Amino acid sequence: QVQLVQSGAEVKKPGASVKVSCKASGYTFTSYDINWVRQATGQGLEWMGWMNPNSGNTGYAQKFQGRVTMTRNTSISTAYMELSSLRSEDTAVYYCARSSPPFDYWGQGTLVTVSS
Amino acid sequence: SYELTQPLSVSVALGQTARITCGGNNIGSKNVHWYQQKPGQAPVLVIYRDSNRPSGIPERFSGSNSGNTATLTISRAQAGDEADYYCQVWDSSTVGYVFGTGTKVTVL
Repeated sequence: QVQLVQSGAEVKKPGASVKVSCKASGYTFTSYDINWVRQATGQGLEWMGWMNPNSGNTGYAQKFQGRVTMTRNTSISTAYMELSSLRSEDTAVYYCARSSPPFDYWGQGTLVTVSS
Repeated sequence: SYELTQPLSVSVALGQTARITCGGNNIGSKNVHWYQQKPGQAPVLVIYRDSNRPSGIPERFSGSNSGNTATLTISRAQAGDEADYYCQVWDSSTVGYVFGTGTKVTVL
């Protein structure tokens, strides 16, 4: 069965970077894009960007341009999302999601807390 | 940028029909997807490309899309349908996905 398993919760200081992983199983990793979506507590879903695991091509929401980097390691079927220059407003749960499209499978979410 | 507007909340009596709207400029020309999210859980796809149900989603969930409004309909609402619901489209002008503002559904 298709599964996306994300790395554990992180606590970071303002100005630092965080890298979240998303390990895929149950399907051919390079056949579907991986998207990243975040959700602050009590807020809605916010799309951050996509990555094609086959080519490595990426597309980022304008809001995150210059601060986010999405990469992958095809040998271990894992996608990564790195967000830099963290600020308190980046405190949120970060999800990876496979897109066929639409977003048919989601990871369990990773809580990233930014606090001094 | 493209915006999708949803009502903040919708209440429905047990066993009745709930309709959740998603408004956007000429949204009828786009493919709309709907997600259900329960507290503490990841979103789940309930309708894709306007009106298609993924396997495992009850027939009580249906969707439509025309003009400037897409609608998710939940028939014979059950207590287990209480959740937040989000619409989503791909916006070709910004080359990115857009989520609606989200609607909290309460079953009375």
